[in-house]
Amino acid sequence: DGGITQSPKYLFRKEGQNVTLSCEQNLNHDAMYWYRQDPGQGLRLIYYSQIVNDFQKGDIAEGYSVSREKKESFPLTVTSAQKNPTAFYLCASSIAKNIQYFGAGTRLSVL
Amino acid sequence: ILNVEQSPQSLHVQEGDSTNFTCSFPSSNFYALHWYRWETAKSPEALFVMTLNGDEKKKGRISATLNTKEGYSYLYIKGSQPEDSATYLCASIGLTNAGKSTFGDGTTLTVKP
Repeated sequence: DGGITQSPKYLFRKEGQNVTLSCEQNLNHDAMYWYRQDPGQGLRLIYYSQIVNDFQKGDIAEGYSVSREKKESFPLTVTSAQKNPTAFYLCASSIAKNIQYFGAGTRLSVL
Repeated sequence: ILNVEQSPQSLHVQEGDSTNFTCSFPSSNFYALHWYRWETAKSPEALFVMTLNGDEKKKGRISATLNTKEGYSYLYIKGSQPEDSATYLCASIGLTNAGKSTFGDGTTLTVKP
């Protein structure tokens, strides 16, 4: 089936630790996105990538890093510099400015 | 309006009621507006893509209108059913900022049987 796969579903981070969230798509989409959702709030853009080997910061990029070495994959690393990482993270992909297709999300908590 | 704003934040209606909510977005630099439905424990799914001023789209009991000159879109649900319970998100896409979407905070609809 075509779609977006995020893993893991739940993730726990220790203080000072970097963790990486996986996002893979087999929709052949050029554009991919990472969003963060906090309770009672909407989706805020962390990073997005329009093409392989290129990505741009979104509205809340501080404390996060990404790579886009393959069209299918857009992993997000939550670094130790992100002081409030507890949130729900959604990955999405699209063809240019068309509708986005979302994964099931990863819930990150701090131990 | 600089951001995308949705109102109300939440809505509780009885089964059979019709309802509507609003999405306000920057009218300058407009390219498209997307509506998504996000059911609990699922991923957001696209409902409508709206691009032209005066656009009206319909899918079953749900419809949406678009006014790009004043920067708002309405989503209507006729005869709400419990399965319509979800958070409805709108996202504005600008002309000059590639595929970047700016999402509103959503309207959470609860339909009581």
